Amino acid sequence: QVQLVESGGGLVKPGGSLRLSCAASGFSFSDYYMSWVRQAPGKGLEWVSYISSSGSTIKYADSVKGRFTISRDNAKNSLYLQMNNLRAEDTAVYYCARPQYSSGWTYEYWGQGTLVTVSS
Amino acid sequence: DIPLTQSPSSLSASVGDRVTITCRTSQSISNYLNWYQQKPGKVPKLLIYSVSSLQTGVPPRFSGSGSGTDFTLTITSLQPEDFATYYCQQSYSNPLFGQGTRVEIK
Repeated sequence: QVQLVESGGGLVKPGGSLRLSCAASGFSFSDYYMSWVRQAPGKGLEWVSYISSSGSTIKYADSVKGRFTISRDNAKNSLYLQMNNLRAEDTAVYYCARPQYSSGWTYEYWGQGTLVTVSS
Repeated sequence: DIPLTQSPSSLSASVGDRVTITCRTSQSISNYLNWYQQKPGKVPKLLIYSVSSLQTGVPPRFSGSGSGTDFTLTITSLQPEDFATYYCQQSYSNPLFGQGTRVEIK
C-alpha cells in the first residue's frame, strides 16, 4: 500500500533553516509528480510546491518562492523540502502528497505530516 | 494563479439535513475541481475529483456538480461522521485550495 512518511520538522528560530524529508513506498515513486502542502494551526490548506517525476519541472507558491527548494531522489524514493530564512508565518504542519495519476494535483495520498514551528 | 472562493466559511446543520457548499473561480478551470474532507487532527481525504467523480469508498450521499467557474458539493443527508471541514481545490494550474467550510452540529 502507498505510504508517505514525513520527517525533519521541529522548532527553529526566525531566519533559520530546516530540511524536510518524505519517504515513499508502495508505488513507483519515480513515475509520480510530488507536492508539499502545509496547514498553519487552525487554518486551511496551502499548496507549497510541486516537482515533476524527473525533477525537471518545479513550481512554488509565491509565499515561499526564493526561500524554499523542493527536490527528490528517485533512487531513494524520497522527496525533500529545504526551507531557508524561515518566518513565523511558515509555522505549519507540512504534508507530502501524491496525486491520483502520475502527473497532476488531485491528491489521493497524504503523509501524516510533520510540524514546523518557527519561533524565537 | 486562479484563486478559489469557497462559501460559506462555516455552517451549522443537523443530522439528516441537506448541505450545499459552493466554490467559485475567477476564470474557467474546466472540470479540474476537487473536494477534500478533513476531520480535526486528521489528514485531508479526497472525496470528489474532476467535479463529480466519487473517490472509491466515499458514500453516495456526497455529490459534486458544476462547470467552468461555479461548483457545488452536496451532502444529501448529513451523517454524524460528516461533521468536518471541506475544501475545494483546483488542479487546472497551480493547485490552490479554497478557504474551507466547517460543517458543525446544530
